[in-house]
Amino acid sequence: NAGVTQTPKFQVLKTGQSMTLQCAQDMNHEYMSWYRQDPGMGLRLIHYSVGAGITDQGEVPNGYNVSRSTTEDFPLRLLSAAPSQTSVYFCASSYSNGGNQPQHFGDGTRLSIL
Amino acid sequence: QKEVEQDPGPLSVPEGAIVSLNCTYSNSAFQYFMWYRQYSRKGPELLMYTYSSGNKEDGRFTAQVDKSSKYISLFIRDSQPSDSATYLCATRIKAAGNKLTFGGGTRVLVKP
Repeated sequence: NAGVTQTPKFQVLKTGQSMTLQCAQDMNHEYMSWYRQDPGMGLRLIHYSVGAGITDQGEVPNGYNVSRSTTEDFPLRLLSAAPSQTSVYFCASSYSNGGNQPQHFGDGTRLSIL
Repeated sequence: QKEVEQDPGPLSVPEGAIVSLNCTYSNSAFQYFMWYRQYSRKGPELLMYTYSSGNKEDGRFTAQVDKSSKYISLFIRDSQPSDSATYLCATRIKAAGNKLTFGGGTRVLVKP
């Protein structure tokens, strides 16, 4: 049982490059989300999805795009990388949106923008 | 001002001691309160989930919520070196679904 799988684990980009962070879950969870974690800032919500075909913005969405074509996958796209996007990115999923549904986190993608 | 404040630590305690962690929050609409544990280079994992004011116990862990003071606490009894991690408090509003607001995390080191 893999849970939430994030790839790649590490990535270095140059300013202006684009890339996609992958997230997949095998628990048939409806709700998926992306957070970024910066020192002293905790985790901040970037985008989330309550089901296939439905996405919405979180607290810090600028510079990121998402789509949800299947229940299992929720990729995060950086359109034109900036040094301010250097961070650790976590994907999370839960059975549904709301209630006492624990969120399961992946082990993160460490992204450095030069 | 951040909606959820947490002392970053580090908090260093000897093995067997009680670890006391706390968070304050500013939004009275927060209704659900969680504590996550995060080991180095790993994702957060849920430790405790509480809804109402009062205490909730699970093994060596006790979560405490005081909504009147907007104050939440986590106590770890008989601490072990394996408890060394960063502890994050998180809250959410019922109407906001699973959108969580996190504190900055407190790093804990339990020395053998």
